[in-house]
Amino acid sequence: DQQVKQNSPSLSVQEGRISILNCDYTNSMFDYFLWYKKYPAEGPTFLISISSIKDKNEDGRFTVFLNKSAKHLSLHIVPSQPGDSAVYFCAASEVSAGSNYKLTFGKGTLLTVNP
Amino acid sequence: ETGVTQSPTHLIKTRGQQVTLRCSSQSGHNTVSWYQQALGQGPQFIFQYYREEENGRGNFPPRFSGLQFPNYSSELNVNALELDDSALYLCASSSGGQVNSPLHFGNGTRLTVT
Repeated sequence: DQQVKQNSPSLSVQEGRISILNCDYTNSMFDYFLWYKKYPAEGPTFLISISSIKDKNEDGRFTVFLNKSAKHLSLHIVPSQPGDSAVYFCAASEVSAGSNYKLTFGKGTLLTVNP
Repeated sequence: ETGVTQSPTHLIKTRGQQVTLRCSSQSGHNTVSWYQQALGQGPQFIFQYYREEENGRGNFPPRFSGLQFPNYSSELNVNALELDDSALYLCASSSGGQVNSPLHFGNGTRLTVT
């Protein structure tokens, strides 16, 4: 039973346009959400996070939106750059249960930004 | 600031053998977690160590075990290797005192079991 789902295995966008990566979750106990980026032969790199008490968090070109009622979050990258091409993982945890270290990951979305 | 380092980077073992993977946590981090990433999947939580004790475990059998040392480095041991253990093993560290401290991952050890 997958508790975190990324239904798009891949996404291709043009440089300068917006990239929108989506993530759905089923466990209502999740209260902390993160996005990681992974290049080949490297470990996942933390990008941005959001607590369930917020609905938006922004960091430069990256914005994460959280819709708790829909159990849905999305990552927006504007403007997209070729260097953003990587696999993006959505992850969630139950911080209030003391399990902030135990992340549940989606399967990832491969983003390709074309010059 | 030194990041999370893992060794070795690649390893080939035979079914039934035992393997030890090593991890040095990021400077200032006292908590280490281990994840298994199978091909085409997201990382899956194995267990976490804090103050040299296991304080959280995912859905992995007892033949997956670990250690944390006083300098916060860690080992992952897998006994009686099976073909399905072939995966990328990721170590992550964080500061246990901060509730929303994100995990910082190493580059992983690619284990192939033949």
